Amino acid sequence: AQKVTQAQTEISVVEKEDVTLDCVYETRDTTYYLFWYKQPPSGELVFLIRRNSFDEQNEISGRYSWNFQKSTSSFNFTITASQVVDSAVYFCALDMDTGRRALTFGSGTRLQVQP
Amino acid sequence: DTGVSQDPRHKITKRGQNVTFRCDPISEHNRLYWYRQTLGQGPEFLTYFQNEAQLEKSRLLSDRFSAERPKGSFSTLEIQRTEQGDSAMYLCASSFSTGNAFFGQGTRLTVV
Repeated sequence: AQKVTQAQTEISVVEKEDVTLDCVYETRDTTYYLFWYKQPPSGELVFLIRRNSFDEQNEISGRYSWNFQKSTSSFNFTITASQVVDSAVYFCALDMDTGRRALTFGSGTRLQVQP
Repeated sequence: DTGVSQDPRHKITKRGQNVTFRCDPISEHNRLYWYRQTLGQGPEFLTYFQNEAQLEKSRLLSDRFSAERPKGSFSTLEIQRTEQGDSAMYLCASSFSTGNAFFGQGTRLTVV
C-alpha cells in the first residue's frame, strides 16, 4: 500500500519569508514517482514537479526548490521569498511505476502568505 | 482554451436524484482520470480510461457510479440515487500514457 503524509495542515507566513512544506511517503516499490501540485482557490490542480525515485538530485526552479531524500522517504518543497500569489493548498502525491498514473495524494498543506 | 474543461462547475441536487458530469480532456491526450476530493482532503482516485477502455476502477466507485468515454474523447461520470456522502468535488484529469496529468477545475456536487 502507498501513503503520503503532509503533517502540516496550515502554514501562515509574511510575504518574503521562506517556507518549507513537508512530505513523507510510504511505498514498498523501488521505482516510483513523486509529484507536487498547487491548488489555488479556483480549484484547478496545477502541476509543479515530477521526480522519479532514481533521481535524488535537488531541483530549483525560480523561487521553488525541492529536496528529495530516499533515506528519510521525504520530498520537501521550499518557496523562497514567498509572495501573496503563492497562497494556495499544496499537495504531494505518489505514483507507482506501473504506468497507471493514478496518483495517491496527501491531505495537503494550506499556505497563507500575508502581505 | 485548450485545457481540461468540466461541466457543470457546480451542481446542487436532492438526495435520490441522478446526476451526470462531463469532462473534455486535452484533445491529444489518450488517458482520462476521475478523482473525488472532499473538504480538507487530497483527491482520491476513482477510475481511468485509456482511449475508450476503462482500465481500472477504485473500490471507492460503488455500483451507483458509472463512467464512460464512448469515443475516446470526452467522458461522463454518472451518480445514481445520490446520497449526502456523495457531496464532493469531482476532478477530471488527462495525460499522455507517459506524461503528467493536467487537471480541470472540477465539478462541485452538493447533495441536499
